[in-house]
Amino acid sequence: GAVVSQHPSWVICKSGTSVKIECRSLDFQATTMFWYRQFPKQSLMLMATSNEGSKATYEQGVEKDKFLINHASLTLSTLTVTSAHPEDSSFYICSARAQGNTGELFFGEGSRLTVL
Amino acid sequence: QKEVEQDPGPLSVPEGAIVSLNCTYSNSAFQYFMWYRQYSRKGPELLMYTYSSGNKEDGRFTAQVDKSSKYISLFIRDSQPSDSATYLCAMSLGGGGKLIFGQGTELSVKP
Repeated sequence: GAVVSQHPSWVICKSGTSVKIECRSLDFQATTMFWYRQFPKQSLMLMATSNEGSKATYEQGVEKDKFLINHASLTLSTLTVTSAHPEDSSFYICSARAQGNTGELFFGEGSRLTVL
Repeated sequence: QKEVEQDPGPLSVPEGAIVSLNCTYSNSAFQYFMWYRQYSRKGPELLMYTYSSGNKEDGRFTAQVDKSSKYISLFIRDSQPSDSATYLCAMSLGGGGKLIFGQGTELSVKP
């Protein structure tokens, strides 16, 4: 299957700092990427849908100024958690849908953020 | 009421057992149904993908969709310790639509 790479896989930061997480499709072009958040023993909650070259579409209740998403190319989307606080500590996962594919999503390995 | 309901478990079975995992949903418009496997601290990986009602088999895994009952199942035959993971059901309205996930069922297969 196609490969989606996330970096970093884990990060620890101080409260008030900003953290950037990258999501790359390694062997296919992704017109659409999705960002999820997952708390321990909880389901994946969709945060936003990112389309290459346009603004991300955020789900209800997700602060767009807090979670900045950029999808500058067909193989890269970034999520920046701005002014992070301990309640932002979570597992962030991206997924990508191949160009022209209407079904299967390929998931990254996830990035664990811990805000002290 | 959540759109997709899934018993979080944990579910513990002996090696070789048949495992049955289930989800119910409320939106009759869902057309695409998926099962993902997620190992601890990893991203989900797609196991099975089904469109509309019916059965689909892939090796030891069988996915069933009963749209009349709004109920989907994943069966694992001859379960192995390596099957120990969290299994998430997911569904969407269209082929390229937003996925709605269940909470996930934590499965442990004991040797």
